[in-house]
Amino acid sequence: DQQVKQNSPSLSVQEGRISILNCDYTNSMFDYFLWYKKYPAEGPTFLISISSIKDKNEDGRFTVFLNKSAKHLSLHIVPSQPGDSAVYFCAAFGLGGSNYKLTFGKGTLLTVNP
Amino acid sequence: EPEVTQTPSHQVTQMGQEVILRCVPISNHLYFYWYRQILGQKVEFLVSFYNNEISEKSEIFDDQFSVERPDGSNFTLKIRSTKLEDSAMYFCASSRGDSLMNTEAFFGQGTRLTVV
Repeated sequence: DQQVKQNSPSLSVQEGRISILNCDYTNSMFDYFLWYKKYPAEGPTFLISISSIKDKNEDGRFTVFLNKSAKHLSLHIVPSQPGDSAVYFCAAFGLGGSNYKLTFGKGTLLTVNP
Repeated sequence: EPEVTQTPSHQVTQMGQEVILRCVPISNHLYFYWYRQILGQKVEFLVSFYNNEISEKSEIFDDQFSVERPDGSNFTLKIRSTKLEDSAMYFCASSRGDSLMNTEAFFGQGTRLTVV
């Protein structure tokens, strides 16, 4: 049962354009959402997060939007740069029972072409 | 800046042998995780650990796998009898998790396990 879904395994954009990475979730108990970026042969690194009480969080070129009613979030990167080429993971966290666990999506490979 | 450290960076082992992958999480973190990534595939969750016990595990984490926090600083993943398909990059992660604002998980650089 995939509680966090990233339905696009890959995305290719031109340098300078906007990259939009999408994520859907099914568990209404999720309270906090995070995006991680991963380069080959490295561990994932934290990028940006958003609490369920907000609908937008911005950090430089990165903005995350949350639509709670649709259980959907997206990461916008603008302008995209070749160094942004990586796998992006959406992750979610919820306070439920005794389990504290980040649930990850399967990732989207972003390629930014010069 | 505090970081999660993993040793060794690369481990080669013969099929059927036991391996222990070691991790030192960030010192004030409470939640620990192991993930793996088979070459060319996606990062997969293995297990989460809190308060000295497993809080959740995936179907990958069968009886051949175990985790331990032996001394309050290290967090280890043991594979009792390795199989060829265990070859992967194994990532350790930790998070504070004591409030919603501290759920960011920090990942180590990974241990590449090669089973021959």
